[in-house]
Amino acid sequence: KQEVTQIPAALSVPEGENLVLNCSFTDSAIYNLQWFRQDPGKGLTSLLLIQSSQREQTSGRLNASLDKSSGRSTLYIAASQPGDSATYLCAVSDTDKLIFGTGTRLQVFP
Amino acid sequence: ETGVTQTPRHLVMGMTNKKSLKCEQHLGHNAMYWYKQSAKKPLELMFVYSLEERVENNSVPSRFSPECPNSSHLFLHLHTLQPEDSALYLCASSQGARPYSGNTIYFGEGSWLTVV
Repeated sequence: KQEVTQIPAALSVPEGENLVLNCSFTDSAIYNLQWFRQDPGKGLTSLLLIQSSQREQTSGRLNASLDKSSGRSTLYIAASQPGDSATYLCAVSDTDKLIFGTGTRLQVFP
Repeated sequence: ETGVTQTPRHLVMGMTNKKSLKCEQHLGHNAMYWYKQSAKKPLELMFVYSLEERVENNSVPSRFSPECPNSSHLFLHLHTLQPEDSALYLCASSQGARPYSGNTIYFGEGSWLTVV
């Protein structure tokens, strides 16, 4: 049974810092992996989608990597800003399921 | 704005009430989903529809009843709920007719449900 773990559960950093969020999964037979952002009381916004054949994806200050063999993905946020404060969730999919982690709650303070 | 709209945003209902949550997408997507998000728990998949046919039902209690009248609309009918059903209910959609088929999944803003 696929399990997705995100560490740390919460993170507080000063503005401008580069940071890494981690996601690990137990079954490497995945179709793709997605990173989402969720603001308090809101829905999820897709940030990056990495297909199983890809190693990384980039969008602006965000870079996500995928290492299927080790069951890991990282989300790198460069030059963090207070507006980046949110909960970040990763989710892995196989052919018939999308399994979410419990998320990392990020706070970036000025 | 993700293209997936959910109404109402907030709902308070008694345990004997009947209400419905509505989800609408005009993205031309073929798969639609209902998820439940409770505090400190991962998102739980409730129902999946592909081309208006239900393809997955994750042992959800019968007090939750989904309906997909067409490819753009998805409902979640609620009746005789329990206080532990209070949560954020999220609707999502994706392009492929085959759920999770490598396409980005788009979520609505969610409907906050409180059962009193």
